[in-house]
Amino acid sequence: NAGVTQTPKFRVLKTGQSMTLLCAQDMNHEYMYWYRQDPGMGLRLIHYSVGEGTTAKGEVPDGYNVSRLKKQNFLLGLESAAPSQTSVYFCASSYGSGGNQPQHFGDGTRLSIL
Amino acid sequence: AQSVSQHNHHVILSEAASLELGCNYSYGGTVNLFWYVQYPGQHLQLLLKYFSGDPLVKGIKGFEAEFIKSKFSFNLRKPSVQWSDTAEYFCAVNAPGSARQLTFGSGTQLTVLP
Repeated sequence: NAGVTQTPKFRVLKTGQSMTLLCAQDMNHEYMYWYRQDPGMGLRLIHYSVGEGTTAKGEVPDGYNVSRLKKQNFLLGLESAAPSQTSVYFCASSYGSGGNQPQHFGDGTRLSIL
Repeated sequence: AQSVSQHNHHVILSEAASLELGCNYSYGGTVNLFWYVQYPGQHLQLLLKYFSGDPLVKGIKGFEAEFIKSKFSFNLRKPSVQWSDTAEYFCAVNAPGSARQLTFGSGTQLTVLP
C-alpha cells in the first residue's frame, strides 16, 4: 500500500520563485492536510480540506495556496517563495466520518529557500 | 483555541530505563488525544490514541499512555526503553467536529544510549 505519497522529496528554490508540492493518497480519505515542521515548534497546520473542491485555512496559511480538484490529490503552492518558508512539509489524510480516525502522514518534502 | 505543551524537549536515557514523557493540553471540551513518533528521516507514525473509555491506552511497541482529565494530561510511558526507541515524540489533540485538525506539541527528542 502506497498510503500518502509526497513529491518532490527535496527541493531548493531561490527567493521569489514559485512551486507546487503534490500530495496523493490512495486510501479514499475525505480529509487532507498540509503541515510544516520547524525545529522546536512541532507541526503547524497550513491548510486543510474536508472534501473534493473544498479548502480551509489552518494556523499558518500566509504565503501558501492549496487546491483539491480531485479527492486523492491535495496540492500546496508557494507563489513567491521566501526564506521563512524553508521547512519540512508534511501531508496527511484521514477518514472524514464513521468515527474518529487518526491521520496518516507522508514522508515529507524538505524545502530550502535561498 | 486548543494548545499542547510538551515540557521535555530532549530526554536521554540508557537502555532498560523507564520512560515518561509529559503532555498537557488546554481545551475546555472533549478531546481526542494522540501520540505520534518520528524516527530519524521518516514520517510520523501513530503510537496510540485515546477517544473515550479506559483512560489507560496501550499502543504499539510496548508504549502506553494515561489520560487524566482533571490534570489535562496524556503522558506517554514505557517500562523499559530500547536503543531503537530513539526518535522524536509528538503529542497531539483534536476536538470532535473540528475537521480532525490536529494541534501538535513541540515534540520531545528521546535519545536512548546503548
